[in-house]
Amino acid sequence: DVVLTQSPATLSVTPGERISLSCRASESVDTYLHWYQQKPNESPRLLIKYASQSISGIPSRFSGSGSGTDFTLSINGVELEDLSIYYCQQGNSLPHTFGAGTKLELK
Amino acid sequence: QIQLVQSGPELKKPGESVKISCKASGYTFTDYAMHWVKQAPGKGLKWMGWINTYTGKPTYADDFKGRFVFSLEASASTANLQISNLKNEDTATYFCARGTTGFDYWGQGVMVTVSS
Repeated sequence: DVVLTQSPATLSVTPGERISLSCRASESVDTYLHWYQQKPNESPRLLIKYASQSISGIPSRFSGSGSGTDFTLSINGVELEDLSIYYCQQGNSLPHTFGAGTKLELK
Repeated sequence: QIQLVQSGPELKKPGESVKISCKASGYTFTDYAMHWVKQAPGKGLKWMGWINTYTGKPTYADDFKGRFVFSLEASASTANLQISNLKNEDTATYFCARGTTGFDYWGQGVMVTVSS
């Protein structure tokens, strides 16, 4: 199974700063890597698909990059509403797997 | 608009069974696979498997082989998850999610509590 390692586990942020979250795969997943945001007691929401493709309705401050084994989700100008848990997920091979998540908290 | 609406919360005893539904609307049901994802309390997301909504063929992740069954009521644009012989560790929220390799629409989740 492909293991996705997300870092850091927790990130303390200040509104307005630019941040980057990492997702590293144990083997290549090409660009079949997707990012989700989950707020407490809500369903996950797709933020970025295929590593870097934007999703309609998602603010432009969210962007993704990477291919193969190393991926990054960036937020350019964090807002308070972005305080959530972020998961990466690979869809290159079965079983599809999720990372353990990165929690954004207020500094 | 596209929606996945799941059935309500369940409280079950160990050894019982539960069936959760996921009704899709706003798109052609058979055009997209349906996936199932488990989230235990305070934990992350775990992919359970998926069902081909065109052929009805299910595929299960290893941890979900045996007691878990994915099924369809295609005429009702509904996917179902049945769990038999419930165990305490099945206590979780179960999500259905539409997609191919990534999941663009999610149900609201069903909380299943297993307790004696």
